[in-house]
Amino acid sequence: AQSVTQLDSQVPVFEEAPVELRCNYSSSVSVYLFWYVQYPNQGLQLLLKYLSGSTLVKGINGFEAEFNKSQTSFHLRKPSVHISDTAEYFCAVSDPGNQFYFGTGTSLTVIP
Amino acid sequence: ETGVTQTPRHLVMGMTNKKSLKCEQHLGHNAMYWYKQSAKKPLELMFVYSLEERVENNSVPSRFSPECPNSSHLFLHLHTLQPEDSALYLCASSQDRVNGYTFGSGTRLTVV
Repeated sequence: AQSVTQLDSQVPVFEEAPVELRCNYSSSVSVYLFWYVQYPNQGLQLLLKYLSGSTLVKGINGFEAEFNKSQTSFHLRKPSVHISDTAEYFCAVSDPGNQFYFGTGTSLTVIP
Repeated sequence: ETGVTQTPRHLVMGMTNKKSLKCEQHLGHNAMYWYKQSAKKPLELMFVYSLEERVENNSVPSRFSPECPNSSHLFLHLHTLQPEDSALYLCASSQDRVNGYTFGSGTRLTVV
């Protein structure tokens, strides 16, 4: 079974500053990687995904993530955050058995 | 609107009540899921249905009873709940691991 680790449970950042949300997973064997965002009292919405090819993937709302196989990481970044980016962010991994594993989430708070 | 619709959005029920949560998807997905999301806790997978057959039940108390009458609808029947069952209940659907999950907006359940 996979494990997905999001070490930072809370990340405060000032508006227009860059941000990186970290995600590490346990095995690179044929995994697909995802980032989801959850706004208050909403479901999870897909931000971006990595399936294969270029290790840098771009998603909605100006977010991007980089797949690093050697470090088994898939960190999420945004060069300049907005107040509206305040939300919970979840990293997820799907394995060849179509099992889906979620991290525990990172709460991003953008400070005006 | 994500393609997965959950009703009701909010529900307050007494410990002796019986109620049902409904989830509907018309995305053509063949798997549906119930997740429980409590404050300060990771997402908990409760039930998985694939092609209308239950394939996973993660030791959920019997006071939660799922039903999947067809590939588009999923219910969660609730009876004699406890206050600790108060949470956001999320429904999700998927077709394959390439596209990940599509989530509904959730039902905020409060047990009094």
